[in-house]
Amino acid sequence: DGGITQSPKYLFRKEGQNVTLSCEQNLNHDAMYWYRQDPGQGLRLIYYSQIVNDFQKGDIAEGYSVSREKKESFPLTVTSAQKNPTAFYLCASSLDSPVVNQPQHFGDGTRLSIL
Amino acid sequence: SQQGEEDPQALSIQEGENATMNCSYKTSINNLQWYRQNSGRGLVHLILIRSNEREKHSGRLRVTLDTSKKSSSLLITASRAADTASYFCATVPRSGSARQLTFGSGTQLTVLP
Repeated sequence: DGGITQSPKYLFRKEGQNVTLSCEQNLNHDAMYWYRQDPGQGLRLIYYSQIVNDFQKGDIAEGYSVSREKKESFPLTVTSAQKNPTAFYLCASSLDSPVVNQPQHFGDGTRLSIL
Repeated sequence: SQQGEEDPQALSIQEGENATMNCSYKTSINNLQWYRQNSGRGLVHLILIRSNEREKHSGRLRVTLDTSKKSSSLLITASRAADTASYFCATVPRSGSARQLTFGSGTQLTVLP
C-alpha cells in the first residue's frame, strides 16, 4: 500500500538537543511538506519542497532545518534554537504544487515533547 | 496568518442528523480544500473545490463555495458516530510568491450515538 510513514510516533527532547523526525513516502510524489499543529489549532507550514534538492521556508521555519536528498524522504530536524518545540508534527506529500489543484496526503504524525 | 476560519469551533449532533460547517477566508483563492482529522492521527483529504466551481459532492459530503462572500460550507448528511473528528478548511491563494495551503483552526464535530 502506498502512503507516508512518519517515525517515531513519540519523541522526547532534552534541553539543548537536536532531534530529527523521519518522513518517507512511496507515492512517487514530487512535493513534500512539514507542518506543526498545536493543541486545538490548525496546521502551520514549517518547510516545503517541490522537488529533490530544493526546499523553501514556510511560515514558521525558525529553529527547524530540512533536507531533500531523495525524492521519497524529507527529514525534519528540530534544533535547540526552537525554544517551544512541544507540538504534533505532520508530514505530507502531493503529486504537484497545491496551485495546480493537488490534494495533500498526510502521515500519522510525530508527537514531540520536552523532557 | 490564518486564511480560513471555520465556524462553529465545536458542533455536537445526534446520529442521523446533518452537520454543516462553514469556512470564511480573506483573500482570493485558487482552490479550497476540506480535510478530516481523527484524534491523534494525520489529516485525510475530503474534497477540493476550484475557484470556478460552486458545488461538489462526494458520497454524503457536499461542499459549496461562494467566492463573492469568500466562504465555503461542508455538509455531512445522515451523520454517523464514525464522522466524529475535526474538520479543517484550507485555501491556496490566487496570487503571491509562496502559494501553499493555509489551514483554519478547525471545527470539532461530535456525533452522538
